Amino acid sequence: ETGVTQSPTHLIKTRGQQVTLRCSSQSGHNTVSWYQQALGQGPQFIFQYYREEENGRGNFPPRFSGLQFPNYSSELNVNALELDDSALYLCASSSTMGQSTDTQYFGPGTRLTVL
Amino acid sequence: QKEVEQDPGPLSVPEGAIVSLNCTYSNSAFQYFMWYRQYSRKGPELLMYTYSSGNKEDGRFTAQVDKSSKYISLFIRDSQPSDSATYLCAMSRTGANSKLTFGKGITLSVRP
Repeated sequence: ETGVTQSPTHLIKTRGQQVTLRCSSQSGHNTVSWYQQALGQGPQFIFQYYREEENGRGNFPPRFSGLQFPNYSSELNVNALELDDSALYLCASSSTMGQSTDTQYFGPGTRLTVL
Repeated sequence: QKEVEQDPGPLSVPEGAIVSLNCTYSNSAFQYFMWYRQYSRKGPELLMYTYSSGNKEDGRFTAQVDKSSKYISLFIRDSQPSDSATYLCAMSRTGANSKLTFGKGITLSVRP
């Protein structure tokens, strides 16, 4: 069973640029959630995708957007990067929606630094 | 006030000690409670999952949920140096596979 993978591992961007982060969900999982974890803080929910549709969004501005593909992999896009966007971005996958006991499995994250 | 508050750290204990980690929350709608462990430069790993109130034990780990007090705890018995990590409590209203609200995390160091 393949776990959740994310790419790239690290990324350095400058303020105002755009970035795309990628996530491959665990085999058999059709739900992907994205979280932002600032240094010394707990992860904060950005949004969730289920079967290619956004299914819930946290308190993040519209410049944070996402996609889920037919193979359930996902992308997180951030436009107009700000210094405060520097964080570890985590992707988590889980299996069928509606089964509330299904838990989320996290990838290793992408560390984004905005200069 | 944050929805989930976690005891501040860091915490340093000798090997073999019993460790108690705690979180309080303000949203009474939370029904699903989780503890994640996060090693440095890694993603969080699920340790314990509890639905509603009660206790759950798994090896050296025990999770307790007291919904009346809005308080959850994780106990680690016979702590090992390999337990050194950041521990995050997480909660959800609608399911363990839904939006999770995390505490800030506490860094635990177990000294040999």
